[in-house]
Amino acid sequence: AQKITQTQPGMFVQEKEAVTLDCTYDTSDQSYGLFWYKQPSSGEMIFLIYQGSYDEQNATEGRYSLNFQKARKSANLVISASQLGDSAMYFCAMRENSMADKLIFGTGTRLQVFP
Amino acid sequence: DVKVTQSSRYLVKRTGEKVFLECVQDMDHENMFWYRQDPGLGLRLIYFSYDVKMKEKGDIPEGYSVSREKKERFSLILESASTNQTSMYLCASSSENVGGRASEQFFGPGTRLTVL
Repeated sequence: AQKITQTQPGMFVQEKEAVTLDCTYDTSDQSYGLFWYKQPSSGEMIFLIYQGSYDEQNATEGRYSLNFQKARKSANLVISASQLGDSAMYFCAMRENSMADKLIFGTGTRLQVFP
Repeated sequence: DVKVTQSSRYLVKRTGEKVFLECVQDMDHENMFWYRQDPGLGLRLIYFSYDVKMKEKGDIPEGYSVSREKKERFSLILESASTNQTSMYLCASSSENVGGRASEQFFGPGTRLTVL
């Protein structure tokens, strides 16, 4: 069955340092998409980055990059040059193309950036 | 910018009451979703809809129903609220996929529901 696993309930990082948030997934589909969302304390989910299973390059969006290792079924989020405003919950999610537009979410990682 | 709004940020209801959570999106999206979010469990899909008057059960539909009479509006209904439905409820919308690329879901601010 499809599943997303985020094994880090919480992470700490110092301002200006890089941090990697782990995400592994399980699917039998060949075609799927992986998403990362950020949820600040205000509660709203903010889309960060997307990686398609057939994309050859790792996705990047500003300070966010996705370390996609298809054979290992991992899609880790890398945040470079952390800022205090990056403190939030981060969710990894997967969409299998055979399942229409449904997203399956992991349990999330709480990131805290300290000065 | 896509805007998804939810009728309330905070709501307190009593056990047995009928509860309506409203969600409106302004980008003409075909797809709309209702999730609940609980600590340690992430987001779980309750119901979703691909079109007006269409609905599909998600992973945890028990105790909930939905209504989509207009394309922009998707309502979540708790017929008889119970304390185990105390949670954060998030609505989302997305467009149809274009060129094989999955479309991201855009979320509303959430409604924190407390059932006493």
